[in-house]
Amino acid sequence: NAGVTQTPKFRVLKTGQSMTLLCAQDMNHEYMYWYRQDPGMGLRLIHYSVGEGTTAKGEVPDGYNVSRLKKQNFLLGLESAAPSQTSVYFCASNSNLQFAGNTIYFGEGSWLTVV
Amino acid sequence: SQQGEEDPQALSIQEGENATMNCSYKTSINNLQWYRQNSGRGLVHLILIRSNEREKHSGRLRVTLDTSKKSSSLLITASRAADTASYFCATLNTGNQFYFGTGTSLTVIP
Repeated sequence: NAGVTQTPKFRVLKTGQSMTLLCAQDMNHEYMYWYRQDPGMGLRLIHYSVGEGTTAKGEVPDGYNVSRLKKQNFLLGLESAAPSQTSVYFCASNSNLQFAGNTIYFGEGSWLTVV
Repeated sequence: SQQGEEDPQALSIQEGENATMNCSYKTSINNLQWYRQNSGRGLVHLILIRSNEREKHSGRLRVTLDTSKKSSSLLITASRAADTASYFCATLNTGNQFYFGTGTSLTVIP
């Protein structure tokens, strides 16, 4: 059972470089999320999507862009990486929240270092 | 910030003891959930409590919710070394967004 898969798992970038993190889920979930996790800060929502072709800003969207061209994929882009974007990034998904008992399924994380 | 806050930030107990951690949040919620994160891994769902519920049990886990105080607690009874992890509360707000607290790091000493 694949669940939520993130690639790459580790990446080192130089300041100013760009990159894309890919998230794929095989559970036919409507909702997908990108979080970043920093020490002492917990998880902070970057962007999310409520369905194919839709995206919305979360708590800390600056410096990131996202796209949801296919229902199963949610891409997170860093246009010009900055050291402040050094973090662990988690993708997550869940099904339609019409029934308020749905839980989130997480990927295993992507460790990004910007030097 | 819409994040919640867990308390304490870190907790160290002996195996067999109970562990209690608390979560406070800021907005109106549909439900509150607790997640566990082992070092270097993603988060795994533990238990969900709806806004109209006050207490819920699952195995060695007991969760309470006080919506008037915007707070929740997670109790792990008879702790084991394998319970060592970070624990996060997450709230689903009326805008269908999940927000996570800052986490409690639990260490269970064998």
